[in-house]
Amino acid sequence: GENVEQHPSTLSVQEGDSAVIKCTYSDSASNYFPWYKQELGKGPQLIIDIRSNVGEKKDQRIAVTLNKTAKHFSLHITETQPEDSAVYFCAASEGTYKYIFGTGTRLKVLA
Amino acid sequence: KAGVTQTPRYLIKTRGQQVTLSCSPISGHRSVSWYQQTPGQGLQFLFEYFSETQRNKGNFPGRFSGRQFSNSRSEMNVSTLELGDSALYLCASSPTGPQTNTEAFFGQGTRLTVV
Repeated sequence: GENVEQHPSTLSVQEGDSAVIKCTYSDSASNYFPWYKQELGKGPQLIIDIRSNVGEKKDQRIAVTLNKTAKHFSLHITETQPEDSAVYFCAASEGTYKYIFGTGTRLKVLA
Repeated sequence: KAGVTQTPRYLIKTRGQQVTLSCSPISGHRSVSWYQQTPGQGLQFLFEYFSETQRNKGNFPGRFSGRQFSNSRSEMNVSTLELGDSALYLCASSPTGPQTNTEAFFGQGTRLTVV
């Protein structure tokens, strides 16, 4: 069935360093890939997304890349700051709002 | 613009009872989706409503149901509660029309505890 694998489950980086989170999806019909950030006690917040007709998208310190052939997509955060500490989720969708989420990555940015 | 509003924020129920959760989407948004979040299973899709019609459904038992009203507000109901239904229930709203998906914006969720 549909599945999204996400790695790593936890990630600790020094402030100012880069962080990379990787996801792999199984459904070749997937065409929309959002990334969400969830802080304690809050709902997931959309931080960036990418569609299957695009290979890379950047928004200030965050970027997402997509490799459709390998069914991989990744989140890159540069110049990390303490406020980037949160749980990050990737998701995949085939064009509906039935998102298949990854299991999450807990990012800790050490000051 | 107000975000997605879910009520109540916290709820404690007893096994066997039923519960109704409410979601008010962002003004102008017509699609509402519901997700269950647990530490063990992560975020799992329950169902999606658009223009008062269920458009998509996840793999949950029939005890989980939902509906959407003409003003796009949505409710979900869980009957005959089980301990395993304890979770954060999240609602997301989206501005789109049919088929083409855009961003989904989540509310803060309703934390349901079944004792």
